[in-house]
Amino acid sequence: AAGVIQSPRHLIKEKRETATLKCYPIPRHDTVYWYQQGPGQDPQFLISFYEKMQSDKGSIPDRFSAQQFSDYHSELNMSSLELGDSALYFCASQVGITSGQLYNEQFFGPGTRLTVL
Amino acid sequence: SQQGEEDPQALSIQEGENATMNCSYKTSINNLQWYRQNSGRGLVHLILIRSNEREKHSGRLRVTLDTSKKSSSLLITASRAADTASYFCATDVAGYGGSQGNLIFGKGTKLSVKP
Repeated sequence: AAGVIQSPRHLIKEKRETATLKCYPIPRHDTVYWYQQGPGQDPQFLISFYEKMQSDKGSIPDRFSAQQFSDYHSELNMSSLELGDSALYFCASQVGITSGQLYNEQFFGPGTRLTVL
Repeated sequence: SQQGEEDPQALSIQEGENATMNCSYKTSINNLQWYRQNSGRGLVHLILIRSNEREKHSGRLRVTLDTSKKSSSLLITASRAADTASYFCATDVAGYGGSQGNLIFGKGTKLSVKP
């Protein structure tokens, strides 16, 4: 079965550079979530989209922005990178209200490991 | 504040034994999900239990939910070395008008199964 695809899998950047992470949800999933997991930490919610509109916002820095496109893939743009941004970034997809059932499972991608030097 | 707290933080058992991990949360939820994560890898969805359910089974996994105590447990029976991983509970918090959608994760339990 198709899973969530994230690219790139690994990314190394210098401080103050920018990075773009991509997420391709499971086909027919209309909701995408972004999470950040620091070393030894639990995942923290950043931002979510439902039907290409931002649906909720968590602890996402102002330096980060994201969007969901017409094909439902999503991109997380990160600017002015800081050392503390080094983390695993996960995208999760979910079939939302259009499935006729609320509160469904979120399926996570393999993550992008971002290292800021 | 952290929604989910898990205990124990670390659990070490022998192959064949059962492993029980607990999760407590603070607010009303729509559902609670358990995930597994091998070191530095992705989160694998194990099981979802809705707020109106009390127990759910999937293979060697058994999850219980007690909404009155705001707690859940994950039982892995007949553990194997391959079960070694971190296990997270995550709650879908009930908000005004329905689900907030995003998950709030617990700190996780690091399970080590020795062969």
